Amino acid sequence: ETGVTQSPTHLIKTRGQQVTLRCSSQSGHNTVSWYQQALGQGPQFIFQYYREEENGRGNFPPRFSGLQFPNYSSELNVNALELDDSALYLCASSLGGPTRTGSGYTFGSGTRLTVV
Amino acid sequence: DQQVKQNSPSLSVQEGRISILNCDYTNSMFDYFLWYKKYPAEGPTFLISISSIKDKNEDGRFTVFLNKSAKHLSLHIVPSQPGDSAVYFCAASQDTGRRALTFGSGTRLQVQP
Repeated sequence: ETGVTQSPTHLIKTRGQQVTLRCSSQSGHNTVSWYQQALGQGPQFIFQYYREEENGRGNFPPRFSGLQFPNYSSELNVNALELDDSALYLCASSLGGPTRTGSGYTFGSGTRLTVV
Repeated sequence: DQQVKQNSPSLSVQEGRISILNCDYTNSMFDYFLWYKKYPAEGPTFLISISSIKDKNEDGRFTVFLNKSAKHLSLHIVPSQPGDSAVYFCAASQDTGRRALTFGSGTRLQVQP
């Protein structure tokens, strides 16, 4: 059973650019959630995908968007990067759709994004 | 507006002693609480959870206590081991369709041998 894989592990981008982060879910998991963790803070919910549809969104602007594919892998896209977007981006997969999945989350190790 | 707060950024305890990590929340709609542990360069891993209908949940060395009237929960680790050294996050969710987790800022626990 493989865990959650995120790529790339580290990334440096320039302000104003666009970035795509990728996540492969744990085998059998059909729900993916994305979180942003700024330095010294806890993870903040960006959005969740279930059956390729966005199912809930946190307080993030529309330039944060995502996709979920038929194989349940997912992408997080951020347009018009700002310096404050520098953070660790965590993907978490789970099974069973939008239920109380916190205990069933498997987190990836994250992608460290630096915007300069 | 932090809805989940962990006011102690760090905690140091001796091996074999009890570690107590605290968490406060402000949103009375939260009804499910979790603790995650995070090692460097790894994602958070689920540790233990508690529903608001309970006031205590135990799993081996780990016990979570919930005081709803005070909007406070705590994680007790007994006995503490050096391998417990990590950052611990408290998280909460409410019974909505979104099921998002709201995390605290974390407490770094150091267990001294």
